[in-house]
Amino acid sequence: EVQLVESGGALVQPGGSLRLSCAASGFTFSDYWMSWVRQIPGKGLEWVANIKQDGSHKDYVDSVKGRFTISRDNAKNSLYLQMNSLRAEDTAVYYCARDSFVATSSHWGQGTQVTVSS
Amino acid sequence: QSALTQPPSASGSPGQSVTISCTGTSSDIGGYNYVSWYQQHPGKAPKLMIYEVSKRPSGVPDRFSGSKSGNTASLTVSGLQAEDEADYYCSSYAGSKERVFGGGTKLTVL
Repeated sequence: EVQLVESGGALVQPGGSLRLSCAASGFTFSDYWMSWVRQIPGKGLEWVANIKQDGSHKDYVDSVKGRFTISRDNAKNSLYLQMNSLRAEDTAVYYCARDSFVATSSHWGQGTQVTVSS
Repeated sequence: QSALTQPPSASGSPGQSVTISCTGTSSDIGGYNYVSWYQQHPGKAPKLMIYEVSKRPSGVPDRFSGSKSGNTASLTVSGLQAEDEADYYCSSYAGSKERVFGGGTKLTVL
C-alpha cells in the first residue's frame, strides 16, 4: 500500500524558515516524480513544486521561486521542501504527492499545516 | 483567483447524473490532453478520480467519467450516491507553468 507521511509543519513568524519532510513507503520511491501541493483552508489547491526521479529536474510555481527548494533522498525514501522567507500567504496545508502520470498526483499524504503569523 | 474556472456548486438527487465543468485556455486544457479530476471529502486529502481527460485509476467506479471539448473539460457523475458528496477539483498540465487547478466545485447530493 502506498503511504506518504508528511511532517515538519508548524507556526512560524514571517521571514522565518521551515523544512517539510515526507516519508514514502509501499512503492519504489526512486521510480516516480514527486510533488508538493498546498491548500489554504477552505480554498482550492495550488501546485507548489515537483522533482524528477533522480533529482536532476525541479520546477516551482512562480510565487515560491527563489524561496522554496524541493529535494529528495532516494536512499531514505524521503521528499523535502525547504521554505525560506516565509510570508503570510504561504499559510496552508502542504501535501506530499506521488506523480504517476503527467501533471497528475495519484497518491497524496494526509498533509501538514504551515502557519505563518506573528 | 484560480487559473481554471469551475462553478462553485452543483447538485443532484440520488440516482441522477451531474456534470461539472472546468474552463481554461489554449495554454492549458485546450493545448494538452492532461486534465485530471480530484475528489476531496472534508478534512481528507484529495483523491484522483480521472486522469488524461477520461481515464479512471483502478478502483474508481465507472459512474465517474471525463471529457474535453476545446478549452473546457467536464466531469460527469452518473447514478449519484450519497458518498459522492464532496469537493471536486480539476487540474491541467500548463506547459511552462507545469500544473494549474480549478477553484473547486462543491457537489451536494440532495
